[in-house]
Amino acid sequence: AQSVTQLGSHVSVSEGALVLLRCNYSSSVPPYLFWYVQYPNQGLQLLLKYTTGATLVKGINGFEAEFKKSETSFHLTKPSAHMSDAAEYFCAVSSGGSNYKLTFGKGTLLTVNP
Amino acid sequence: DGGITQSPKYLFRKEGQNVTLSCEQNLNHDAMYWYRQDPGQGLRLIYYSQIVNDFQKGDIAEGYSVSREKKESFPLTVTSAQKNPTAFYLCASSLSRGRAQYFGPGTRLLVL
Repeated sequence: AQSVTQLGSHVSVSEGALVLLRCNYSSSVPPYLFWYVQYPNQGLQLLLKYTTGATLVKGINGFEAEFKKSETSFHLTKPSAHMSDAAEYFCAVSSGGSNYKLTFGKGTLLTVNP
Repeated sequence: DGGITQSPKYLFRKEGQNVTLSCEQNLNHDAMYWYRQDPGQGLRLIYYSQIVNDFQKGDIAEGYSVSREKKESFPLTVTSAQKNPTAFYLCASSLSRGRAQYFGPGTRLLVL
């Protein structure tokens, strides 16, 4: 079975500070990993994904994430937070292959303070 | 523009009533999904479909039904058997199973 743990249901940063949102996963086979962002009362938007290849993945809006197999982690970072980054972020894992299922973490709410 | 549309944006259900949420995609994706989102619980899978005329139960299918008569459409019916239907419902699609899913804007269902 696969699972996702997002450490910290709420993260608060100052504008211009580093954003670090943590995600750890468990999967019995090489995983596909995703980060999504959700603004209030909207659907989820794909930020970035890791399937195979380069372990450092760049996404939209200046976000990136690094797949670390030894640590079973896929943390999301952004060097400098902007007010518009305030939203809820979800990490998700799929075991790929014939596995249809995308398993989501419970989300991390990011607050950006002026 | 390609994308996923959901309607209505808000839906009110009376006790004992069945209601249907619409989901349409023009991305030519094979797979479609329905999720329920409650505060603090993330997303839970209700049903998914990999091809037309075929669908599978997810983790919380009880009280819900779906159909997949066309590739573009995957409507969800919330039946009267669903005793706690108040939630935000999200439809998604993907090119194939296990790949990145793309989401619609959601429907918020409220009980009168």
